[in-house]
Amino acid sequence: GDSVTQMEGPVTLSEEAFLTINCTYTATGYPSLFWYVQYPGEGLQLLLKATKADDKGSNKGFEATYRKETTSFHLEKGSVQVSDSAVYFCALSNMYSGGGADGLTFGKGTHLIIQP
Amino acid sequence: NAGVTQTPKFRVLKTGQSMTLLCAQDMNHEYMYWYRQDPGMGLRLIHYSVGEGTTAKGEVPDGYNVSRLKKQNFLLGLESAAPSQTSVYFCASSYPRTDPSKGYTFGSGTRLTVV
Repeated sequence: GDSVTQMEGPVTLSEEAFLTINCTYTATGYPSLFWYVQYPGEGLQLLLKATKADDKGSNKGFEATYRKETTSFHLEKGSVQVSDSAVYFCALSNMYSGGGADGLTFGKGTHLIIQP
Repeated sequence: NAGVTQTPKFRVLKTGQSMTLLCAQDMNHEYMYWYRQDPGMGLRLIHYSVGEGTTAKGEVPDGYNVSRLKKQNFLLGLESAAPSQTSVYFCASSYPRTDPSKGYTFGSGTRLTVV
């Protein structure tokens, strides 16, 4: 079946540091890929997405590029802020997984801590 | 504001008690989902629904039941709560999987503790 693997952390960085959170996936066909963010005490919010190979999703200074050749969708940000502290989930949606709506397949989440 | 609303936000149950979690969405989404979130486990799908009157099992369905009597509502029931069901529960809704670009909309969660 489909799966998503991401670094679990916690990842601790200083403010203005460069961020990379790695995400790789296993799936048949051509899944859509997502990054969700969960701030403390809240639900998940869609951060960015990419629906085909070489697409770049971007939002709020975060970027991720859909790399089919390496089955990866790494999240990057050039200069993080304290307000970016949250849990980040990589996920995929695959219409070729079979019948029904199996839901998004999530990684286990990466807890990001940004220190002033 | 359009979105997914979950009630209640917090609940403490005694082992063996029953309860129902309510999820309501106002985006006319066909698909709805219940997930549980546990430390180190990420989100795991409990049950889902592809339309009014239909439900299906996800990855961890045991101990839960669901109903989708109306398109906008998706109920999650615990008939006899167990401490292993202590978790944060999230409801989500989406368009059909054939339109993956729009992603999912999540509720703010229900924190359930079973003692």
